[in-house]
Amino acid sequence: DQQVKQNSPSLSVQEGRISILNCDYTNSMFDYFLWYKKYPAEGPTFLISISSIKDKNEDGRFTVFLNKSAKHLSLHIVPSQPGDSAVYFCAASVEGAQKLVFGQGTRLTINP
Amino acid sequence: DAGITQSPRHKVTETGTPVTLRCHQTENHRYMYWYRQDPGHGLRLIHYSYGVKDTDKGEVSDGYSVSRSKTEDFLLTLESATSSQTSVYFCAIRRGGNTIYFGEGSWLTVV
Repeated sequence: DQQVKQNSPSLSVQEGRISILNCDYTNSMFDYFLWYKKYPAEGPTFLISISSIKDKNEDGRFTVFLNKSAKHLSLHIVPSQPGDSAVYFCAASVEGAQKLVFGQGTRLTINP
Repeated sequence: DAGITQSPRHKVTETGTPVTLRCHQTENHRYMYWYRQDPGHGLRLIHYSYGVKDTDKGEVSDGYSVSRSKTEDFLLTLESATSSQTSVYFCAIRRGGNTIYFGEGSWLTVV
């Protein structure tokens, strides 16, 4: 039972345009969401997070949107840069819980 | 830098042999985790620890055991390695809140 799903295995975007990565979840108890970025041969690195009390959180070029009624979150990267090419994982947890549940990941490729 | 060291970073082993991966942290955090990453599956939790000698299973714990005798070390053992355990293994720590931070990974190939 995949509680967190990233239905797009890959995404290709032109440099300078907006990248939108999507994530859906099924567990309505989830109330904290995160995005991680992973380069080849490296560990995942934390990118941005959002609590369920908010519907948007911004950090520089990265914005995460949360739609609780649809159980959907998205990560927007504007403008996209070549260094953004990586695999992106969304993750979810219940506040105070000890573990995160991850999606399958989306490979983002930024084309020059 | 998450203050985590994983060893070995790369290992090739034969089916049926025991393998131990080590995760060492320098920051004295209570929570430590072992995840595996596989294509199409993302990151899946194997086991985690919430203190010395306190561990619990994750979603893919079969075939794995863990031990934590010191705060700084969290060991993952494959008692009898199988080809399905060929994967990349990531250790992680939780510094506070709900965010966890990962190590660089250990690439394990079981032949």
